[in-house]
Amino acid sequence: DIQMTQSPSSLSASVGDRVTITCRASQSISSNLNWYQQKPGKAPKILIFAASSLQSGVPSRFSGSGSGTDFTLTISSLQPEDFATYYCQQNYSTPRTFGQGTKVEIK
Amino acid sequence: EVQLVESGGGLVQPGGSLRLSCAASGFTFNSYWMSWVRQAPGKGLEWVANIKQDGSDKYYVDSVKGRFTISRDNAKYSLYLQMNSLRAEDTAVYYCVRGGGVFNMWGQGTMVTVSS
Repeated sequence: DIQMTQSPSSLSASVGDRVTITCRASQSISSNLNWYQQKPGKAPKILIFAASSLQSGVPSRFSGSGSGTDFTLTISSLQPEDFATYYCQQNYSTPRTFGQGTKVEIK
Repeated sequence: EVQLVESGGGLVQPGGSLRLSCAASGFTFNSYWMSWVRQAPGKGLEWVANIKQDGSDKYYVDSVKGRFTISRDNAKYSLYLQMNSLRAEDTAVYYCVRGGGVFNMWGQGTMVTVSS
């Protein structure tokens, strides 16, 4: 199974900050990497697919990059509604696996 | 409106069974792989199983193989998860999800609690 490791596990940031979350795969997954946002008590929502493609309706302050084993989710200017937990997930092989999550909290 | 609505969760004793259902609407159900993803209380996301558009291919995470069965009824726009021999570690919110690898639409989830 491919293991996905996110860093950091949590971070504190202020509105307007640039935030970067990293995801590393245990083997190469090409660009088969997706990012999700989850708010408390709610279902996850897809933000980015295929490493860098923005899902329709997602604000352009979200961006993704990377390929192979190392990937990044960037929020260019953190907004109040962005405080949530973020997960990466690989769809290179089965079983599909998620990172452990990164909780973005208000500083 | 495009939506997925799960049902069938509840409290069950260890070793018991439960069948989850997911009603899809607002999109062409038989054009998509479908999946179940779960989340234990306070924990991260875990993919459980997926099924091809026509039901001919199914895949499972190792921890549920032989105990859970995913199925679908395209005429009823419905996805199912039959869960047998349930264990405490199966306690989670179970999400019905559109997609086999890119999960671009999620239901609201149904809670399954396995406890005596």
